Amino acid sequence: AQSVTQLGSHVSVSEGALVLLRCNYSSSVPPYLFWYVQYPNQGLQLLLKYTSAATLVKGINGFEAEFKKSETSFHLTKPSAHMSDAAEYFCAVTWSGGYQKVTFGTGTKLQVIP
Amino acid sequence: KAGVTQTPRYLIKTRGQQVTLSCSPISGHRSVSWYQQTPGQGLQFLFEYFSETQRNKGNFPGRFSGRQFSNSRSEMNVSTLELGDSALYLCASSLDVLAGGTYEQYFGPGTRLTVT
Repeated sequence: AQSVTQLGSHVSVSEGALVLLRCNYSSSVPPYLFWYVQYPNQGLQLLLKYTSAATLVKGINGFEAEFKKSETSFHLTKPSAHMSDAAEYFCAVTWSGGYQKVTFGTGTKLQVIP
Repeated sequence: KAGVTQTPRYLIKTRGQQVTLSCSPISGHRSVSWYQQTPGQGLQFLFEYFSETQRNKGNFPGRFSGRQFSNSRSEMNVSTLELGDSALYLCASSLDVLAGGTYEQYFGPGTRLTVT
């Protein structure tokens, strides 16, 4: 079975500071990993995805994530936080053969302090 | 391309009633998944349809059902509504891997259901 753990339901950073949102996964087969962002009263938007190509994945809005198999991690980072980054972020996992049964983490709400 | 659309966006129902929510996927996407999002339980997978067949199912009671039409549009139905069914219901579509997809999902804005 696949699972995702997001450490920290709430993270606060100052504007201009590094953003680090943590995600660890459990998968018995090579995973496909995703980060999604959700703004208030909206659906989820894909930030980036790992699909077994490059381990360092760049996404939209300056975000990137690194797949580390040895640590079973897929942490999301952004060098400099912007006020507009305040939102909820979800890590998700699926696998080939899992069709579209995607397992989401519990989400991390990012607060950016001016 | 137009994104995933969901109707209605907001709905208020009374306990015991039933409700039908609609989702139109991105053109060319044949997989449609439904999720329930609540503050307490987070994002929970309801079911997934592909080519009019339910391919995956989450752990929800039989009061939750869905279907998909030949044009890939999907509906979900909740019968005998309970207060705990109040949630944001999200629909997501994806391009099948056999058609070049890589499992990412595209979400609609959701339907906010309030049960009173």
